[in-house]
Formats: sequence, structure tokens, C-alpha cells
Amino acid sequence: GNSVTQMEGPVTLSEEAFLTINCTYTATGYPSLFWYVQYPGEGLQLLLKATKADDKGSNKGFEATYRKETTSFHLEKGSVQVSDSAVYFCALTHGAGYSTLTFGKGTMLLVSP
Amino acid sequence: DAGITQSPRYKITETGRQVTLMCHQTWSHSYMFWYRQDLGHGLRLIYYSAAADITDKGEVPDGYVVSRSKTENFPLTLESATRSQTSVYFCASSDGSGGHAGELFFGEGSRLTVL
Repeated sequence: GNSVTQMEGPVTLSEEAFLTINCTYTATGYPSLFWYVQYPGEGLQLLLKATKADDKGSNKGFEATYRKETTSFHLEKGSVQVSDSAVYFCALTHGAGYSTLTFGKGTMLLVSP
Repeated sequence: DAGITQSPRYKITETGRQVTLMCHQTWSHSYMFWYRQDLGHGLRLIYYSAAADITDKGEVPDGYVVSRSKTENFPLTLESATRSQTSVYFCASSDGSGGHAGELFFGEGSRLTVL
């Protein structure tokens, strides 16, 4: 079956540091890949996505590249802010018209001033 | 207000009682979902619905019942609550079509405690 594995947190960084959160997946065929973010006390919201190999998703300074050869979709940001403190979820789904997502367990990011 | 709303936001109940969590969306999205979030497990899909009167089981459906008589509503019922159902429950909706597959909009969550 499908599965998503994320690095365990929490990840603790100082403001302006470089961020990487690793995500690898197992799936048949050609899944679409997503990063969702959950700020404290809120529901999840879509951060970025990529639908085919070598696609790069980007939003709010975050980036992730769909690497089929390594089955990975690592999240990166060049300079984190305190406001980026949240839980980040990697997820996958299969194909157009099929919306059920398989989530990783989430990685908490804590950014200090 | 536009969007997706859940109620109640917080609920404390006792083992064996019936509890219903409500979910309402104003976008006319075809897909709706219920997830539970637990420490160490991330989000797990309970049930989902592709349209009114069409529902299907997710990863952890036991002990839960859903219905979808109207496109905008998707209530989740715990018929006889157990302590293991203490969790934060998230409702989500999606257009689900074409390039928007996997783009879910989440409610703010319902925190349920079963004593």
C-alpha cells in the first residue's frame, strides 16, 4: 500500500537558518505529492504540491522537488522565521479525480528568535 | 461565512454515549473527509464521501458512522464512544477534480475527550 515517511521532530532552528524536512514515499504508479502545514490550534492547509517527476512546488519561500528516482519530496526553505513554527505533513494521492490523501506522521518545526 | 466549519470545537463525553460531530462546507465541494489526529499516528482517514449519498470507509472506520444526505454536510457519529476515540477530529473538503485532486480544505478541528 501507499505510505509516507517523514523525519521525526521536533526540528529546532534559529531564525534565518536553512530548513530541510525529509520525506520519502512508497506508492505504485505516479502519485501526486503534497506538503501541508498546521499552525498551532488550526486545521491543516496546503503549502505546496507537485504532480509529476521533477516538478518543483513552491510557496511562501518553501520549495520541494518531486524526485522519482529517490522517491523523495524533501521540504526546504532558505531562511526560516519564527512564524514558520508549525507542524509540517508530507502526503500523497493518486491521480486526477481521486482525492484521498495518505499522510506522514508530521514534523514539528520550532524556530527561535 | 464561507468555508468549512466544524462543531462542536470541544466536547467531553462519557464512555458509551453517542456523540455527533458536525461538518458544514459552503463551496459545494463534491468530496468530504473525516480524519482523526493522534500523537504518533499523524492523520488517519476515518470515512470519506465522493458525493451526496456516497460514502466509503477509510483506514480506521470501526466505531464510526457517517451520512451525507446533502452535499454541504457530513456528520460523523460515534454510536458508543470509547476512550480510544479520544482525539482531535478534522473534517475536510475537496473539489477533487482534475488537477485539484489532493487539495483539501480543513476545518479547525473538534477536540473530543471520552472519559
